[in-house]
Amino acid sequence: DAGVTQSPTHLIKTRGQHVTLRCSPISGHKSVSWYQQVLGQGPQFIFQYYEKEERGRGNFPDRFSARQFPNYSSELNVNALLLGDSALYLCASSGTSGRGSEQYFGPGTRLTVT
Amino acid sequence: ILNVEQSPQSLHVQEGDSTNFTCSFPSSNFYALHWYRWETAKSPEALFVMTLNGDEKKKGRISATLNTKEGYSYLYIKGSQPEDSATYLCAFGGGYNFNKFYFGSGTKLNVKP
Repeated sequence: DAGVTQSPTHLIKTRGQHVTLRCSPISGHKSVSWYQQVLGQGPQFIFQYYEKEERGRGNFPDRFSARQFPNYSSELNVNALLLGDSALYLCASSGTSGRGSEQYFGPGTRLTVT
Repeated sequence: ILNVEQSPQSLHVQEGDSTNFTCSFPSSNFYALHWYRWETAKSPEALFVMTLNGDEKKKGRISATLNTKEGYSYLYIKGSQPEDSATYLCAFGGGYNFNKFYFGSGTKLNVKP
């Protein structure tokens, strides 16, 4: 069975540009969460979507947005990129939206902003 | 902002040693505590989901305990093997944001053969 997939694997962007990251959850999973992981720190929660609705939002500026499609795949968009947005972006899927539900992570997208 | 602390930050042990590390989290508004193993160049892998005070979970040589009243969880590895080398993360599901997890910075374990 395919696990959580993310694309692209690596990405280099310039300050001020826009980026779109993509995630496909495990088949049958309806919840997708996005995390940002900076070296030396734990993943920071950005968004959770369940059944195409936003169910949770972390402390990130409005430059960060996301959506979930009818097939439950998801996109994370970041506008007006800053150097500080350089990080590993992880996507996780789960069967339900609750905090007791096991999350399955993708391999991540490494974003470098120059 | 909720604080989740993991200690130690890193640990170097010899093959065969048993080891344990700690995750500390707020003792109020607890819902769930997750443990993950994250090997280099791979995805974080879920180890345990713990929801009840006094929970004990076991998977092979790895086990975990949970104390929600005092706000800590221990992860134990018995007879460490080189393949156990990874970063172990805990994630606290609590507080007022129903669907948010707060991760610790992880404990990096290196097991020498």
